Order: sequence, then C-alpha cells, then structure tokens
Amino acid sequence: EDQVTQSPEALRLQEGESSSLNCSYTVSGLRGLFWYRQDPGKGPEFLFTLYSAGEEKEKERLKATLTKKESFLHITAPKPEDSATYLCAVQFGNQFYFGTGTSLTVIP
Amino acid sequence: SAVISQKPSRDICQRGTSLTIQCQVDSQVTMMFWYRQQPGQSLTLIATANQGSEATYESGFVIDKFPISRPNLTFSTLTVSNMSPEDSSIYLCSVEKGLAGGFEQFFGPGTRLTVL
Repeated sequence: EDQVTQSPEALRLQEGESSSLNCSYTVSGLRGLFWYRQDPGKGPEFLFTLYSAGEEKEKERLKATLTKKESFLHITAPKPEDSATYLCAVQFGNQFYFGTGTSLTVIP
Repeated sequence: SAVISQKPSRDICQRGTSLTIQCQVDSQVTMMFWYRQQPGQSLTLIATANQGSEATYESGFVIDKFPISRPNLTFSTLTVSNMSPEDSSIYLCSVEKGLAGGFEQFFGPGTRLTVL
C-alpha cells in the first residue's frame, strides 16, 4: 500500500495560471511533511516542513498547507523557472516515505 | 541550512565491481541518510547512518550489498558492491538538521551510477 500519493503526475500551466499540487498520505503519527523541488540531474531542494493540521508556510510564489490526511502546494502566478518536479515526503518516526512527484511545466 | 557534497557526481561501472560514494557535510549532523532514486521513480531510503553505531537498513537492503561507514559527524560513505545493471540509479545522501520548533532535511546533489 502506497504511503504517499501525489497528484497529478504531470501538470502543464500557462505562465501566470495558478494551480495546486496534492499530496495525500496514509501513515499515522506524522512527525513532519516535507515538500521538495527537484530539477533534472540534481538532488531535491528543500522547500517546506509542515508539522500539524492547519499549518501553512509560504515562500515566494509557493504556499504549502496541511490537513490531517493531505497537503497542498499552491503555486500562484507561476513562471517558467518554476518548472521542476515537486516531491512530497512524510516522516513517521525515523521512516521517510516519498511520493513519486508532480512534474510541473510552466509555458511562457 | 546544510551544504552537502558527493563524490563522484557520476560513474559508469562494469558488472561485478564495487563503487564507494562519499558524502561530506559542511556542519556536524547526527543523522545521515542514503537514498536511491531509480529512473522515473521517487526516492527510496536505503539506510540511516549514525556516527558511532551500525547503520540501520530498510527492508530490501542489506549490509553486504550496501556497506556504509560513518567515521565522524560530517562524513559518510556508501559502497555499492558486486554491481549489476539493476543497481543503475541516482544515489543521494541527506542530513537532518534540527531547528527551533522543528527540523529540515537537506539533500546532496546525487551520484548518478550506470552499471554496464
């Protein structure tokens, strides 16, 4: 059973077209939920950690929110440089479970 | 934050040989992790490496295949032993850093391994 599911698998947006990425999880006793950005050929770049339902964090055009069973990464007015794969991971104890990512393409 | 470097950045190896990947962090950390990311897939945790103790391996990974060293708080190595083409993957080192009220996890740039 998948612990972390991300949707959609791929997303194409016009520049300036806001949207949201979803990360749902089935583990209980969440220690933290992480969002990362990964560019081709590079390691994941840390974006946010969320710890409890109702928490929100923002960074430039990105805003991450957390509920009891899912998290959303909202992208406001995206630019082409936001194109990347966005990974979600949950931590339960010392166990990390990664989703398969959402590949985002922002078209000028 | 944490700055993590890995060596080599990429390598092409022959079946049956072994490769040791180095991970260096710019600050002392307690917990270091080794991940594998196979083509088109997400990250899979191989093991957790704590300084002064044996590494803890995840299900499906064994010490004979992936021996790990952690000689100090800023350095670790992962060896991929007796390689086969199925070991072709990106291998990533990561560290966890505690912050006031929480923690963050940072990744190195990865080592891209191709086994022929």
